[in-house]
Amino acid sequence: GAVVSQHPSRVICKSGTSVKIECRSLDFQATTMFWYRQFPKQSLMLMATSNEGSKATYEQGVEKDKFLINHASLTLSTLTVTSAHPEDSSFYICSAAVPGAKNIQYFGAGTRLSVL
Amino acid sequence: AQKVTQAQTEISVVEKEDVTLDCVYETRDTTYYLFWYKQPPSGELVFLIRRNSFDEQNEISGRYSWNFQKSTSSFNFTITASQVVDSAVYFCALSEAGDSWGKLQFGAGTQVVVTP
Repeated sequence: GAVVSQHPSRVICKSGTSVKIECRSLDFQATTMFWYRQFPKQSLMLMATSNEGSKATYEQGVEKDKFLINHASLTLSTLTVTSAHPEDSSFYICSAAVPGAKNIQYFGAGTRLSVL
Repeated sequence: AQKVTQAQTEISVVEKEDVTLDCVYETRDTTYYLFWYKQPPSGELVFLIRRNSFDEQNEISGRYSWNFQKSTSSFNFTITASQVVDSAVYFCALSEAGDSWGKLQFGAGTQVVVTP
């Protein structure tokens, strides 16, 4: 299957700092990428849909100023958690849609964010 | 409202036993896709299968098999002769044509524990 790389895998930061998470499609170009959040022992919650060259589409209840998404190229989308607080601690996972098979999403390994 | 229901929170089996994971979905669209993903302890979601709404043929891939029944809105997943490496959380997901294509709605997941 297609390969999606996500970095970093784990980050620990102080409250008030910003954290950037990268999601790269390694062997295909992804016009659409997705960002999910997953709390322990819970399902994945879609945060936003990232479209190359345009603004991201955020799901209801997700603060766009808090979670900045940039999809500047066909292989890279970034999620920046701005002014992180302990309640932002979570597992963040990205996925990329395979062109021509839009409904199949391949996922990155996830980023575990811990805000102290 | 929850569109994908995975009623089983956790299933524990002994190695070599079969295990069936239930998935019931709800949609008004006639065109939709159903998916199963595996999330091992490492956290990365692994794509297992995609099925479109017009293809009710059951599918078998090695020890995995899927039973899609539109009449009962179910898309169940069976692991035959389970192995310890099958221990993971399994998610069923739905993508609807009426929604933004590509958006996945996940069920709550079923934790499968296979003991030697």
